[in-house]
Amino acid sequence: GDSVTQMEGPVTLSEEAFLTINCTYTATGYPSLFWYVQYPGEGLQLLLKATKADDKGSNKGFEATYRKETTSFHLEKGSVQVSDSAVYFCALSDRNTDKLIFGTGTRLQVFP
Amino acid sequence: EAQVTQNPRYLITVTGKKLTVTCSQNMNHEYMSWYRQDPGLGLRQIYYSMNVEVTDKGDVPEGYKVSRKEKRNFPLILESPSPNQTSLYFCASSLAGTLGYEQYFGPGTRLTVT
Repeated sequence: GDSVTQMEGPVTLSEEAFLTINCTYTATGYPSLFWYVQYPGEGLQLLLKATKADDKGSNKGFEATYRKETTSFHLEKGSVQVSDSAVYFCALSDRNTDKLIFGTGTRLQVFP
Repeated sequence: EAQVTQNPRYLITVTGKKLTVTCSQNMNHEYMSWYRQDPGLGLRQIYYSMNVEVTDKGDVPEGYKVSRKEKRNFPLILESPSPNQTSLYFCASSLAGTLGYEQYFGPGTRLTVT
């Protein structure tokens, strides 16, 4: 079945460092891909999405490109801030079942 | 303000005592769903609903029931809770399904079953 694999955390960075959180997926067909963010004590919020191959999603300085050839959707940010500290979830939406499948989440901790 | 609300936010109960977690959205969304979040497992879908009176099982439906009598409400029912249902629960809604649509999540309900 479909699945999403994320790098394990926590990822610990200093402010202004470059961030990459790896995400790869397994799916039949062409899923939509998402990154959600969960701040402490809150529900998940959509960060960005891409619905077809080579699409780039971007928001709040974060970017991710839908790479069909490598089945990846890595999240990047050029300069992280303390306020970016949160748990990040990669997810895919299966076209056949219309279900949302999440990775296990990656905790990011940014220190001043 | 567009939002998904859940109640209660925190609940401690005992094994076998029936409980209901309410979920309501004010965005006229057709699609609603319930997830549980457990450490190391991410979010797993319990049940979902494509519209009023239409519900279907997700990946981990055992021990749970849902109903969708009105478009805005989607309660989660645990008829006989057990300790393995101790978890963080999220309700979510979207305009129509998951493909390409943003899911709006509630703030979560932390349930402890002793």
